[in-house]
Amino acid sequence: DAGVIQSPRHEVTEMGQEVTLRCKPISGHNSLFWYRQTMMRGLELLIYFNNNVPIDDSGMPEDRFSAKMPNASFSTLKIQPSEPRDSAVYFCASSHEGLPGTFGSGTRLTVV
Amino acid sequence: QKEVEQNSGPLSVPEGAIASLNCTYSDRGSQSFFWYRQYSGKSPELIMFIYSNGDKEDGRFTAQLNKASQYVSLLIRDSQPSDSATYLCAVNYGGYQKVTFGIGTKLQVIP
Repeated sequence: DAGVIQSPRHEVTEMGQEVTLRCKPISGHNSLFWYRQTMMRGLELLIYFNNNVPIDDSGMPEDRFSAKMPNASFSTLKIQPSEPRDSAVYFCASSHEGLPGTFGSGTRLTVV
Repeated sequence: QKEVEQNSGPLSVPEGAIASLNCTYSDRGSQSFFWYRQYSGKSPELIMFIYSNGDKEDGRFTAQLNKASQYVSLLIRDSQPSDSATYLCAVNYGGYQKVTFGIGTKLQVIP
């Protein structure tokens, strides 16, 4: 099992650019979570999907953030336009019923 | 606003000692409680979960839950330098999938 796969591992972009983060969950898992981690705010749940359907996006900071899950094996988190305050590590996690999930390695985003 | 409070540390303990990590939460309706370990630059890894009042033991780790006091703790016996990491307390709200994390406590085990 390859675990949860995220790409890219690192992303440096200029303010105002569009950023797309990608996630492949563990096969057979039916729940997918996007988290953001910063030193000041810790680990925050942005959105989660159950059976490819967005269930709760109340953690998405603003309209610049959007997430999709077109099928059971792929999800994206898009930021458009990006701002320096979006700099953080973004984690994707997946699970099968119950536990909060197995985390991917994360994408370290730097917006300059 | 659902709160999960942890002392950010660092908590320093000598090798072989017991490390005690603490967490309080605000919502009395919470049902599930989790401890994650996160090494520097790595992703969080689930190490313990507990649902019922009392203690749950797994090897050198013991999770303790007191719902009346809204308090959950993690004890690490015979601490090793490899236990040095940040320990995140997580509590579910509004269904098992919606989880709030504490800021984490950094543990340093001194050889």
